[in-house]
Amino acid sequence: DSGVTQTPKHLITATGQRVTLRCSPRSGDLSVYWYQQSLDQGLQFLIQYYNGEERAKGNILERFSAQQFPDLHSELNLSSLELGDSALYFCASSHGQGAYEQYFGPGTRLTVT
Amino acid sequence: GENVEQHPSTLSVQEGDSAVIKCTYSDSASNYFPWYKQELGKRPQLIIDIRSNVGEKKDQRIAVTLNKTAKHFSLHITETQPEDSAVYFCAASKGGTSYGKLTFGQGTILTVHP
Repeated sequence: DSGVTQTPKHLITATGQRVTLRCSPRSGDLSVYWYQQSLDQGLQFLIQYYNGEERAKGNILERFSAQQFPDLHSELNLSSLELGDSALYFCASSHGQGAYEQYFGPGTRLTVT
Repeated sequence: GENVEQHPSTLSVQEGDSAVIKCTYSDSASNYFPWYKQELGKRPQLIIDIRSNVGEKKDQRIAVTLNKTAKHFSLHITETQPEDSAVYFCAASKGGTSYGKLTFGQGTILTVHP
């Protein structure tokens, strides 16, 4: 157990819908990262927040957005969902702003039908 | 941007043998190279990492080597056990304005046969 928690574990929704994924970092960690894992794209970095502020952005679609709240938990919002958005979404956390020692949560499996 | 290539895509060994997985990266500014192990349906788990000021790091049966000149790094697992069977991912990060962004390789499926 990494200490990073994610909810829900599974999510099944229809195309065009909007969902919110939630992540709580390890105690003391200030950075939260979101990754998408799919069979064809592998593990892709989406976005990083550090202490409430966006720090780095990867291949995140405009339909996706995220935020980190004062209590350091983070939410990833996915809207106008398409079949191709079906994937595992992982959250990771680390203490500092850099990439060092990122610990992953259990993931949310999103299925868009 | 950074590109990380990982080889082989699958690796099959007998229990007790050694396994080596290799990665190359494109951005010479990259300075942090972690390795993750992912079992089926589970989260990626950090198993070892190396920073660019070090050429080799070892932790029990696993070791990582880094060649900055050639821009490649490798994971070595000795005395493999069936529980080492998993998908292994290498990654690279360059810090700076990229902050915590990790670029991952495509993964290696390691199977250790008893």
